[in-house]
Amino acid sequence: EDQVTQSPEALRLQEGESSSLNCSYTVSGLRGLFWYRQDPGKGPEFLFTLYSAGEEKEKERLKATLTKKESFLHITAPKPEDSATYLCAVQAGYGGSQGNLIFGKGTKLSVKP
Amino acid sequence: GAGVSQSPSNKVTEKGKDVELRCDPISGHTALYWYRQRLGQGLEFLIYFQGNSAPDKSGLPSDRFSAERTGESVSTLTIQRTQQEDSAVYLCASSLVPRNEQFFGPGTRLTVL
Repeated sequence: EDQVTQSPEALRLQEGESSSLNCSYTVSGLRGLFWYRQDPGKGPEFLFTLYSAGEEKEKERLKATLTKKESFLHITAPKPEDSATYLCAVQAGYGGSQGNLIFGKGTKLSVKP
Repeated sequence: GAGVSQSPSNKVTEKGKDVELRCDPISGHTALYWYRQRLGQGLEFLIYFQGNSAPDKSGLPSDRFSAERTGESVSTLTIQRTQQEDSAVYLCASSLVPRNEQFFGPGTRLTVL
């Protein structure tokens, strides 16, 4: 069964304290792994897509990496405005629906000034 | 440009009533998805439309749920005889083609009393 597990469930950081969020996945042929940011009361906002192991992408203080079993979202010197829930999702390549995303439950990040 | 829009933003209904939720995708996006997000849970896939192909309904939780899409335009999700467990945020997303990143609307928060 295709599955996505994110850890930790919640993370509290001081401003400037770098850390990483983990996304472990089991999927029948990975088509893509997606990272989203979700603020309270809003829909998920697209951040990154990763397609193959070894791929990395960066945007401001965020960097996403991918291996064959997991992805990491590295946050360098976070600011309070980075506080949000970060969602990881995979798109399967074989069997079942090949269009929809399978989401983890998210990591709620709080950055204190 | 305009993003995905959804209406209403909030809907409160009584148990047993029918509700209709609307989604306007990004213009030109051929793929459209509905997801459900219950409190404390990850996003659950409901249904997926791609162009003129038959929709993938594999995520619909019961026959009380149905959805339609007019061409590559507006979609409506209908829930008949609502139950309290249907209370959730219903999110719509669209993508240019099925393998691309999905862009989400702000969601409709449904509360069934």
